[in-house]
Formats: sequence, structure tokens, C-alpha cells
Amino acid sequence: DTGVSQDPRHKITKRGQNVTFRCDPISEHNRLYWYRQTLGQGPEFLTYFQNEAQLEKSRLLSDRFSAERPKGSFSTLEIQRTEQGDSAMYLCASSLVVDTQYFGPGTRLTVL
Amino acid sequence: GQQVMQIPQYQHVQEGEDFTTYCNSSTTLSNIQWYKQRPGGHPVFLIQLVKSGEVKKQKRLTFQFGEAKKNSSLHITATQTTDVGTYFCAGQGGSARQLTFGSGTQLTVLP
Repeated sequence: DTGVSQDPRHKITKRGQNVTFRCDPISEHNRLYWYRQTLGQGPEFLTYFQNEAQLEKSRLLSDRFSAERPKGSFSTLEIQRTEQGDSAMYLCASSLVVDTQYFGPGTRLTVL
Repeated sequence: GQQVMQIPQYQHVQEGEDFTTYCNSSTTLSNIQWYKQRPGGHPVFLIQLVKSGEVKKQKRLTFQFGEAKKNSSLHITATQTTDVGTYFCAGQGGSARQLTFGSGTQLTVLP
């Protein structure tokens, strides 16, 4: 399967714990995006990488959130000191220059 | 910031009826993309529209991009149960690379 993959698919954590998600984009795609989606809403943009450079960050991305793409391939999204409001589906997408974004299956985070 | 509104939020149709969802942006878009998300699934890319007034067809689906590049629509002719899901429009504006999604239209097709 050469699509976007995300790991884990589900994560349940207690409030205050740190969590880290991984995204592996389509191999030749140089752009990688993170979105968050809550029930009944469309995905909301969090941040975007072109190769290893993080070029844009949403105001939604508080200081507790950090994303990296160290070698321009896979990316990680870390949430520190999780809060119940962080419960959501975290989606990763990748694209080439033409900007069509291909989404992964997402990581569903539940904060208890 | 850029906002994308989508209506209706929900639509129930009898199988064989037509369906339309509408999308409006607060700003002029460079392009608009449409995605379908099945229950429990992730958004799947359907199509991208770039040119003012552009119309594209995919079998029973017809996509339009407005002349002012601020609105778009998706029309499904003769819906089938396989069309069930939430349809999202997503716009890109100016130099921004991220997509701004509408809130989606959840389509239910009754057999």
C-alpha cells in the first residue's frame, strides 16, 4: 500500500499525559499537513511542512503541540499535557506541487 | 481569516433522487477541492477545480466553480446507496497551502 499511513490508529490517554503520533506520507510527496477533526466538523488545519521545513502553523496549535519532520519524510505530532478538549481525530495528508492532498486514516485520540 | 460555509448540513434523499451541496467562501479562492468521507473513514479526494466557471463531471457527479471563484457546488444525479457519506468542499486561497474545509454535508440515501 503506497498511501499515507498513520500510527497509532487509536490512542486513549489520561489527562496530563503526553502523546505522540506518526505519519508516513506517500514517498515522493514533499508536502505534509496535519489537521484535526472533531465530530460533525470538517478537518481544521494545524501545520504544514515542505520537506523538513515547517512553513505554516495555525493559531489552533498551542504551545503544547509540536510537530517535526526531521528528514523530510515521516512526521511526528506531539501533544504535551493533554486536555479533554484535545480529543479528536488527527489527520495527516501529503501532496506534491499540484496541491491535491491525500489523507491518511487518522489517529483517534481520546483523553479521559 | 478565510471561512468556507457549506449547506445543507444534512440531506436525506430517496435512492434515485438528485442531491446538491453548496459551498461559499468569504474570500476568492485559487482552487477548490471536494472530498468524500464515509462513516468512520478519512477524507478521500474527489476533484479539484481551478478555473473560473469550471465544470467537471465524474459519472453521476457534476462539480462547478463559480465565476468569481468564491462558490462551488456538487450535484449527484440519481443517488445510490453507495453515495452515502459526508461531502466536504475545501478551498485554497492566495499563497496559503493549507485547505480550509467547509463543515460538510452529510448525505443519507434511503433505499
